[in-house]
Amino acid sequence: DGGITQSPKYLFRKEGQNVTLSCEQNLNHDAMYWYRQDPGQGLRLIYYSQIVNDFQKGDIAEGYSVSREKKESFPLTVTSAQKNPTAFYLCASSMSANTGELFFGEGSRLTVL
Amino acid sequence: GQQLNQSPQSMFIQEGEDVSMNCTSSSIFNTWLWYKQDPGEGPVLLIALYKAGELTSNGRLTAQFGITRKDSFLNISASIPSDVGIYFCAGLNSGGSNYKLTFGKGTLLTVNP
Repeated sequence: DGGITQSPKYLFRKEGQNVTLSCEQNLNHDAMYWYRQDPGQGLRLIYYSQIVNDFQKGDIAEGYSVSREKKESFPLTVTSAQKNPTAFYLCASSMSANTGELFFGEGSRLTVL
Repeated sequence: GQQLNQSPQSMFIQEGEDVSMNCTSSSIFNTWLWYKQDPGEGPVLLIALYKAGELTSNGRLTAQFGITRKDSFLNISASIPSDVGIYFCAGLNSGGSNYKLTFGKGTLLTVNP
């Protein structure tokens, strides 16, 4: 089945540790995105990539890093510089970056202890 | 930056009732979209609207792209328990190298059987 897969679904980390969230899609989509969701805050864009080997900062990029070495993969690293990393992280993809028709993964819930 | 005001924040209704929610913005958008998020899952696209004044239906769902391009509404008729979830509106301005999909903060819908 075509889709977008995030892993892990739940992750716990200690303060000061970096953690990488995986996002893989087999939809042959050019564009991929990372959003952060906090209760009552909606979805806030962290990074997006319009095409392989290219990515841009979203509204809340500080403390995060990404790479886009393959079309299918867009991993997100939450670094120790992110001051409040506990959140629900959503990865999405779309055919191109000129559409709002996003396909979302099931999300990864990160808890910092 | 662009902001979407989505209302109401939450709704508690009886099964069988109709539901209406809306989004307004101080900016115009080229595209309006409505997503639904089930608990613990990623959002799923319900309806996309591409022209001012457009009225589109998807089963029991009906959405409209406001004539001013600054608002949109979503109606759900004859609600059922599986309609429970968070509904997000999103507005898109695309073109050039800048991608800007803005999400509302969501409407939490609870349906009492």
